[in-house]
Formats: sequence, C-alpha cells, structure tokens
Amino acid sequence: GQQLNQSPQSMFIQEGEDVSMNCTSSSIFNTWLWYKQDPGEGPVLLIALYKAGELTSNGRLTAQFGITRKDSFLNISASIPSDVGIYFCAGQSGNQFYFGTGTSLTVIP
Amino acid sequence: DTAVSQTPKYLVTQMGNDKSIKCEQNLGHDTMYWYKQDSKKFLKIMFSYNNKELIINETVPNRFSPKSPDKAHLNLHINSLELGDSAVYFCASRGTSGRYNEQFFGPGTRLTVL
Repeated sequence: GQQLNQSPQSMFIQEGEDVSMNCTSSSIFNTWLWYKQDPGEGPVLLIALYKAGELTSNGRLTAQFGITRKDSFLNISASIPSDVGIYFCAGQSGNQFYFGTGTSLTVIP
Repeated sequence: DTAVSQTPKYLVTQMGNDKSIKCEQNLGHDTMYWYKQDSKKFLKIMFSYNNKELIINETVPNRFSPKSPDKAHLNLHINSLELGDSAVYFCASRGTSGRYNEQFFGPGTRLTVL
C-alpha cells in the first residue's frame, strides 16, 4: 500500500513556539486529513480538508490542502505541553485511507 | 458512550495460537476498517467492510480473517500467530453519507506474540 512522506519525523520545541509539518504524495487525493495520536490511544481526527487550496483552522491548528492535491501542511501555533503526541496526515481515495509516516512532537515546558 | 470499542486492550499469546479481536461501533456507520500499526508507528490498512461486505483486502496473510456479523461489528481472527504479528491493531468506522469522511478509531489492541 501507498505511504505518504511526512516531515519532519520528529520535533522538539519550546512551549509557546509555532510548529509546522507537511505531507507529500506521488498521487492526488480528494481529501486530506490530519490526526493526532496520544500514547496508548487511537488516532483522533483534528482537521479534514475537502478542496484543493482549502485552508481550515481548528483553534490553534491550521491546515491547508495543496493546490496540486498531492500535499498538505499542518501548523500549530503557540504550542502547549498537551500538544505532545504523534501527528499523522492521511489522504483519502475512495474508501481507502493512506497514512503518512508520522511526526512525533515533544513540547518542552 | 464509547463510539468505537475494541476488546481486548492487551493480548499476549504464544506463537502458533489462534486469537480474535473484537470491534464494535455505536455510530451507525456503514464502513469499518482494521489497521495494523507496527513498532515504527506506520499505520497500514488491512481490511474494510461496508454493510457487512468486504470492500478492501490489502496484501495480508490469509491467516488473518475478518468477520462482520452485522454493520456494527467487525472482528479479526488470526490463526497460527507469528512473532511478526506483534503490533497494535486499530479498528475504525466511517459514515459514508454526505461529504464528510471522518474515520473514528478505537483505542487499539496491543498484540504481543511470544
């Protein structure tokens, strides 16, 4: 199955800093999604994007659906300790969901 | 209140055994999935059912057999367990009406094969 390239693989930041991560694919998708996974839990949906060029916010999170439909990015502003976790992008094609390799975020208080 | 539930949460077993993981969703969704997450946290789809019918079957050994007795349940049976089967298995469900494609994941089942 296809795996999306997600970068960076890991980030260590100070509390209050902004974070940016992105995801690229060799295929186009109709929907891009961003999930967060806490330790010992399943991924939880943060933001869903349905249209090329779409920019969507959810609190301190902002995500964009790339114009080429082959990429997406996620920004987190003013990070806080509870932002710690693994962030995954996912592209949807029909009933299939392809996940990125994940970005592990550590926030230092 | 749990939207997608899985049992058991942890499963430790010997190589060669047969085991099952159960999944239930109370969201009224039509589509359910099984994913495998390995030690590097890669999430890969294994199977998907829509209204009890298999619609996605990725390259998975035939020792893995999903069973959907009804729309709200998708169980995973694994025969002749191998060391490489150790992973976290996630069930997910998705509604297919309207424009939204949100998947809701269960809490996962950590399988350890000794």
